[in-house]
Amino acid sequence: EAAVTQSPRNKVTVTGGNVTLSCRQTNSHNYMYWYRQDTGHGLRLIHYSYGAGNLQIGDVPDGYKATRTTQEDFFLLLELASPSQTSLYFCASSDPLGYEQYFGPGTRLTVL
Amino acid sequence: GDSVTQTEGQVALSEEDFLTIHCNYSASGYPALFWYVQYPGEGPQFLFRASRDKEKGSSRGFEATYDKGTTSFHLRKASVQESDSAVYYCARINMGYKLTFGTGTSLLVDP
Repeated sequence: EAAVTQSPRNKVTVTGGNVTLSCRQTNSHNYMYWYRQDTGHGLRLIHYSYGAGNLQIGDVPDGYKATRTTQEDFFLLLELASPSQTSLYFCASSDPLGYEQYFGPGTRLTVL
Repeated sequence: GDSVTQTEGQVALSEEDFLTIHCNYSASGYPALFWYVQYPGEGPQFLFRASRDKEKGSSRGFEATYDKGTTSFHLRKASVQESDSAVYYCARINMGYKLTFGTGTSLLVDP
């Protein structure tokens, strides 16, 4: 039974569109993360959270907002999507040490 | 700043070959080091970690030794199998529980 799930798995939108990516974890972890994965760049951290209501800025935050509504749920928001945000997005969760992160299956986003 | 460098973008081997994937980290602080593996169509999975100099991490026949002197954490496996074909990421953990990943190495093993 998957402990980190993401929806949708695939999304196509147009430039300027509004997109919300969802992530839910059932690991009872406090920490959750959003990454983007691009060829030549590997995985880059967009935003992360220590718990419900908390948000921390990652390494590539421009153009993204995030919200952590509960311990289980973490959302990534693109309010004015641009083609440069076409990517594969992963959500992950971890315990407070952050040593082992558990990743979801990813959401492929295409911005036309 | 905090960074991880993987020099090989792709590695092609035959079954039973010896594998080495190189990983070097920037010498800021004393980070914990990790290897993650990503199979096609899946998210990355934790493979193993090491937290101090000379510590060896290992899992599923893969191993790496933390070397503070050379700032390296190279991944090795004595005999690869076709099922090991995947992308391998080296990573370090910084302050605030943030992982910094390398750019990944794609391993293709021919049967």
